[in-house]
Amino acid sequence: EDKVVQSPLSLVVHEGDTVTLNCSYEVTNFRSLLWYKQEKKAPTFLFMLTSSGIEKKSGRLSSILDKKELSSILNITATQTGDSAIYLCAVGIFISNFGNEKLTFGTGTRLTIIP
Amino acid sequence: NAGVTQTPKFQVLKTGQSMTLQCAQDMNHNSMYWYRQDPGMGLRLIYYSASEGTTDKGEVPNGYNVSRLNKREFSLRLESAAPSQTSVYFCASSSNTGRRSPLHFGNGTRLTVT
Repeated sequence: EDKVVQSPLSLVVHEGDTVTLNCSYEVTNFRSLLWYKQEKKAPTFLFMLTSSGIEKKSGRLSSILDKKELSSILNITATQTGDSAIYLCAVGIFISNFGNEKLTFGTGTRLTIIP
Repeated sequence: NAGVTQTPKFQVLKTGQSMTLQCAQDMNHNSMYWYRQDPGMGLRLIYYSASEGTTDKGEVPNGYNVSRLNKREFSLRLESAAPSQTSVYFCASSSNTGRRSPLHFGNGTRLTVT
């Protein structure tokens, strides 16, 4: 059974702190790992990591994929109250020989930034 | 840019009632998905449609049916709603041909079954 595990489940930090969120996976036919941010409604896409792109950075956010350890981290530096959200990790898995895939999600990390 | 549009946004049903959740995307994506999100459970895949004309079961398909009406639209039907189906339902779409894209989500439908 494919499994994606995120830790911690929740995290409360002060504005300006740096946080690291973790994601580990056990899946067959790994294709990609994605990070999403979910505030009140729909998850919004942050990063996609694949074998050909194991490190991504956008402003204060960065993510690394460790294919040997079957894990990924999401770093947020100089946190702001607007970073408060649930962060979801998802792993894309091949489902056919035609390149189609489906995502399996972890339960998410709820991040709260205190002003 | 509409992206992925879901209707309705909220719905309350009584046990045993039926309803259809509608989803449409305007990004010319070939793949579409239905997820449900419950506290502490994350997003779980109900059904997906890898391309127009095909549908497949996900992790939690029991109690649901889907129809890929055309490339744009993918509906989810509850034939006889149960309280265990109280959840937030998200439709999503992606492109798995040519330049791959991540999943784009709709804003969700909050369903309560009493």
